[in-house]
Amino acid sequence: GDSVTQMEGPVTLSEEAFLTINCTYTATGYPSLFWYVQYPGEGLQLLLKATKADDKGSNKGFEATYRKETTSFHLEKGSVQVSDSAVYFCALIPPGTGGFKTIFGAGTRLFVKA
Amino acid sequence: DVKVTQSSRYLVKRTGEKVFLECVQDMDHENMFWYRQDPGLGLRLIYFSYDVKMKEKGDIPEGYSVSREKKERFSLILESASTNQTSMYLCASSESRGLNIQYFGAGTRLSVL
Repeated sequence: GDSVTQMEGPVTLSEEAFLTINCTYTATGYPSLFWYVQYPGEGLQLLLKATKADDKGSNKGFEATYRKETTSFHLEKGSVQVSDSAVYFCALIPPGTGGFKTIFGAGTRLFVKA
Repeated sequence: DVKVTQSSRYLVKRTGEKVFLECVQDMDHENMFWYRQDPGLGLRLIYFSYDVKMKEKGDIPEGYSVSREKKERFSLILESASTNQTSMYLCASSESRGLNIQYFGAGTRLSVL
């Protein structure tokens, strides 16, 4: 079945370091891909999205590129800040499911030290 | 901005109690969802609703029921709470068209003792 696998955390970085959080998926066809972020004490919110192969989603300095050939959607940021400390979830919506079935990864917790 | 409000941030209940978790959204979204979030397991879908009085089981519906009497409100019911239902519960809503981006509430952390 459809699934999302993301790297286990926690990931601990110093401020201004480069961030990569790996995400790979299993799905038939061309799913829509998302990164959601959950800040402490809050619900999830959409960070970025991509709907077709080679699309690049970007927001707040974060980027991810939809790679069909490697079934990946890795999250990157060139210079993290303490305020980026949060849990990051990779997710997909399989095609033909009417948007009712969002499949989430387990989440990766990021700690950024000053 | 879309606002999804969950009635309680923290709840402590006893085993066997009937528990109601309430969720209200203010953006006239057709779809609403209940998830539970557990460490290492991510989010798992319990139930969703695509219209008033309509409901569909998600991946882990056992031990739960839901109610959607009004478009803006979606309730999760634990008929007889058990300790294995101790978890963080997240409500979300989305439009029925477009990318189906989900908007989440802040969550209810439920402890069943």
